[in-house]
Amino acid sequence: NAGVTQTPKFRVLKTGQSMTLLCAQDMNHEYMYWYRQDPGMGLRLIHYSVGEGTTAKGEVPDGYNVSRLKKQNFLLGLESAAPSQTSVYFCASSYSQESSGANVLTFGAGSRLTVL
Amino acid sequence: KQEVTQIPAALSVPEGENLVLNCSFTDSAIYNLQWFRQDPGKGLTSLLLIQSSQREQTSGRLNASLDKSSGRSTLYIAASQPGDSATYLCAVIPPLGGYNKLIFGAGTRLAVHP
Repeated sequence: NAGVTQTPKFRVLKTGQSMTLLCAQDMNHEYMYWYRQDPGMGLRLIHYSVGEGTTAKGEVPDGYNVSRLKKQNFLLGLESAAPSQTSVYFCASSYSQESSGANVLTFGAGSRLTVL
Repeated sequence: KQEVTQIPAALSVPEGENLVLNCSFTDSAIYNLQWFRQDPGKGLTSLLLIQSSQREQTSGRLNASLDKSSGRSTLYIAASQPGDSATYLCAVIPPLGGYNKLIFGAGTRLAVHP
């Protein structure tokens, strides 16, 4: 039972390069989320999706794009990477938006991105 | 704007100690509060969820309390073990909010040494 899988786990980019992070979940969850985690700060929501074909902005969406072409996959793209985007990125999924003990957020292991 | 603070940022204790991790939030209007555990190289795992109408939740050696009026929550870990070493994060959801409104603290990094 894989849960939420993120690829790649590590990546080093040069300023201006582009890349895509892939998140895949096998739990048939409707909702998927992308967060970033920076030292000394809590996780911040970048974008999220409430279902296949939909996306919405979170707290810190600038510089990122997302797509949800298939229910099980949520892609996070950086079109022109900047050093400020150096961070650890986490994907998560949930059955619904309702925060409850029966509907917990399931997180991936994270993707560490360094932009030089 | 809701802000979530966790103090201390890091904590080192000997095995067997009972310990308390603190979480404070600036706006007492919350839907619920959650505690997560984060292990190095791994994602977050949900530990306990306290609804705004509840005062505490327990799971094994973990007990989380919530005092909305003072904007505080504590996570009590009894008889700590080296396997408890991890970063613990708390997060709140505002009223009428879902997981897309989750606001995290920066976490407390706990080290339990033998």
